[in-house]
Amino acid sequence: EAGVTQFPSHSVIEKGQTVTLRCDPISGHDNLYWYRRVMGKEIKFLLHFVKESKQDESGMPNNRFLAERTGGTYSTLKVQPAELEDSGVYFCASSQDQGRGKSPLHFGNGTRLTVT
Amino acid sequence: KNQVEQSPQSLIILEGKNCTLQCNYTVSPFSNLRWYKQDTGRGPVSLTIMTFSENTKSNGRYTATLDADTKQSSLHITASQLSDSASYICVVSGYFGNEKLTFGTGTRLTIIP
Repeated sequence: EAGVTQFPSHSVIEKGQTVTLRCDPISGHDNLYWYRRVMGKEIKFLLHFVKESKQDESGMPNNRFLAERTGGTYSTLKVQPAELEDSGVYFCASSQDQGRGKSPLHFGNGTRLTVT
Repeated sequence: KNQVEQSPQSLIILEGKNCTLQCNYTVSPFSNLRWYKQDTGRGPVSLTIMTFSENTKSNGRYTATLDADTKQSSLHITASQLSDSASYICVVSGYFGNEKLTFGTGTRLTIIP
């Protein structure tokens, strides 16, 4: 079984530019999550998709961040325009169940974003 | 405010020795507690998941305990191996869904030969 894959693994962009991160969840996982870890801090929730629908996007920091999951398969997270404080590691995770919460989250290896 | 605190921040032990990592949380309401292992440059990998009714759960050489009354958990690693070198993250769910997870900052464990 292929795991959660994220692309790119690293991205270095200048302030004001646009970056799009991609996540391919484990096949058959309806639940897809985006998380972020900024330097020295804990991992924090950004948003949750169930299939193509946004279940919860309360963790999105501002309207410069846009997540999509067309067709309920892969997801993209776009940052436009990027600011210095957006630097960090962006993790995508997927899981089978929702509501019972006992299914483990399967994480991708993350995209390390550096905004200069 | 929901918080998860882990101690120590970092730990160095000799290969073959045992160690215990601690986690205190203030998340409420409480659904379950998870321990993840994160290798450098990789995503976190689930080790254990415990609900409030479970006091202990093992996964090979890893044994997690949970005291829901005192809101404390520990992760015990037996007979450590070099491959155990990683960050260990305690994560608490205050909701039935995965999305309401509160993460600790992790304990960085280094095993030396």
